[in-house]
Amino acid sequence: RKEVEQDPGPFNVPEGATVAFNCTYSNSASQSFFWYRQDCRKEPKLLMSVYSSGNEDGRFTAQLNRASQYISLLIRDSKLSDSATYLCVVNYGSTLTFGKGTMLLVSP
Amino acid sequence: NAGVTQTPKFQVLKTGQSMTLQCAQDMNHEYMSWYRQDPGMGLRLIHYSVGAGITDQGEVPNGYNVSRSTTEDFPLRLLSAAPSQTSVYFCASSQLAAASYNEQFFGPGTRLTVL
Repeated sequence: RKEVEQDPGPFNVPEGATVAFNCTYSNSASQSFFWYRQDCRKEPKLLMSVYSSGNEDGRFTAQLNRASQYISLLIRDSKLSDSATYLCVVNYGSTLTFGKGTMLLVSP
Repeated sequence: NAGVTQTPKFQVLKTGQSMTLQCAQDMNHEYMSWYRQDPGMGLRLIHYSVGAGITDQGEVPNGYNVSRSTTEDFPLRLLSAAPSQTSVYFCASSQLAAASYNEQFFGPGTRLTVL
């Protein structure tokens, strides 16, 4: 069974906080990993891919632990505009499986 | 580029009615797919296509048909709508080369209610 599990959330944080999201996946053969962002009543959009060595894009850092089948997303210095649902996405063969998402609410 | 477009944005159907959700992309992407998103659930793959004339089933294909006669269009047909098909439907496309490794571009979604 294809499974991608995420923290249920929501996460309520003040502006400027650092927040981390966790994700686990069930297929050890998976090769591609992503974080997507989905705003309320909008379509998902790619936030960043996740590479084996870890990668950073501005305030966002993604990590992959293949041995534990675990992916993380760290957001530093949270902004109000970061409020959204963050989706963990993993490939299973030629298709993608999406986690249920973790909602982030950043307050002033 | 318009990207991925979907019509209609909203639709209300009665049980047993049929309809087609339209999806088109202008990025010359080979890979196209349909997902449904329900409250508390992740996006679930309904059908996908790796090119014109080629389609395959995803995780939840029952009650839906697809065809791919052109690279640009990938319509989703509901054969006999049921309340369980009330959902938000997203169409997505990506370059074919190892499609699951590439960014998926999503349309704005169709919000379907079946009474």
